[in-house]
Amino acid sequence: EPEVTQTPSHQVTQMGQEVILRCVPISNHLYFYWYRQILGQKVEFLVSFYNNEISEKSEIFDDQFSVERPDGSNFTLKIRSTKLEDSAMYFCASSSVLNTEAFFGQGTRLTVV
Amino acid sequence: AQSVTQLGSHVSVSEGALVLLRCNYSSSYSPSLFWYVQHPNKGLQLLLKYTSAATLVKGINGFEAEFKKSETSFHLTKPSAHMSDAAEYFCAVSASSYGGATNKLIFGTGTLLAVQP
Repeated sequence: EPEVTQTPSHQVTQMGQEVILRCVPISNHLYFYWYRQILGQKVEFLVSFYNNEISEKSEIFDDQFSVERPDGSNFTLKIRSTKLEDSAMYFCASSSVLNTEAFFGQGTRLTVV
Repeated sequence: AQSVTQLGSHVSVSEGALVLLRCNYSSSYSPSLFWYVQHPNKGLQLLLKYTSAATLVKGINGFEAEFKKSETSFHLTKPSAHMSDAAEYFCAVSASSYGGATNKLIFGTGTLLAVQP
């Protein structure tokens, strides 16, 4: 069964460092998303990406964040200068068309120290 | 604006008992609704979805949910709880704007289900 894969599963970084979280969406999907879940809180939308551009972003997704689809398979989230409050589980998701279910990856747990 | 409210952050049932997890939504448009489950240290797995077809939706692992527009509810049920059902459950509404090219999900705060032997 096709699945969304994320790497790494856990990343520890120092405050101020740049991190790149990687995702391989399901191959025939067209819509890509990043969500995050701070420990003990709900899952929050960060950004959606379609047709090689951001289609929507939340207020959380400030200038420190960027997304890229560098080739036909990967979808990355970059945090330019990490802060302690960026510590969270980051989920990548993809969907084939609008109003169908999003398939989520296993998540990357980012710990900023 | 779309939103989801899950009543009860913690629900505890006995093994074999009925599971009822409540979800109410607010949506400007005809909504698509989803239930996801998250086992400890795992990702989000889709249990079931409602996308304007049958109002009673059956999902995986014996779960089902009924869309009630008059009550703006989409409660999740399972007739008989199993120990493996212990997990966190999230209700979500699709927040795609009419004619828009996004399909973001708005999640509820989650309900942690404990199953007692």
